Amino acid sequence: ETGVTQSPTHLIKTRGQQVTLRCSSQSGHNTVSWYQQALGQGPQFIFQYYREEENGRGNFPPRFSGLQFPNYSSELNVNALELDDSALYLCASSAGDVYEQYFGPGTRLTVT
Amino acid sequence: GENVGLHLPTLSVQEGDNSIINCAYSNSASDYFIWYKQESGKGPQFIIDIRSNMDKRQGQRVTVLLNKTVKHLSLQIAATQPGDSAVYFCAEGDTGRRALTFGSGTRLQVQP
Repeated sequence: ETGVTQSPTHLIKTRGQQVTLRCSSQSGHNTVSWYQQALGQGPQFIFQYYREEENGRGNFPPRFSGLQFPNYSSELNVNALELDDSALYLCASSAGDVYEQYFGPGTRLTVT
Repeated sequence: GENVGLHLPTLSVQEGDNSIINCAYSNSASDYFIWYKQESGKGPQFIIDIRSNMDKRQGQRVTVLLNKTVKHLSLQIAATQPGDSAVYFCAEGDTGRRALTFGSGTRLQVQP
């Protein structure tokens, strides 16, 4: 069974730029959730995708957007990057609902 | 690597002792709870979960206790090992919100 994978591992961007992060869900999982984890804090829910549709959203502005593809992989896009967007971005996959979410290793984004 | 939990509460135990990590949750509507372990540079790793219709669940060397009256969750680790050293997060969820809400985390340090 293949676990959740994310790319890239690390990324450095400049304020105002745009970034795309990628996630491949665990085999058999059709739901992907994205979380932002600031240093020293717990992960914060950004949004969830189920069957290519957004299925719930946390308290993040519209410049955070996403996609899910027919193979259940997903992208997180962030426009107009701000310094406070520097964080570890985590993708979690699950089988159809909120329960038993399994996390990938994360992408560390640094905005300068 | 990723320095998770810079200013988190820390529990320091001796190798072989039992550890108890506590968590207070906020939402009375939460019906599902998970404990995650996060090592430096890695994503959260699923440890054990419990539904709201239970008050205790046991896994391999771990036990989760749920007290809904006072909205309290605990993780007990038996015979703690150096490999258990990490930051531990509790997370609560309910199908209405489509998201997991994470606590602030506790750092467990195991002294050899």
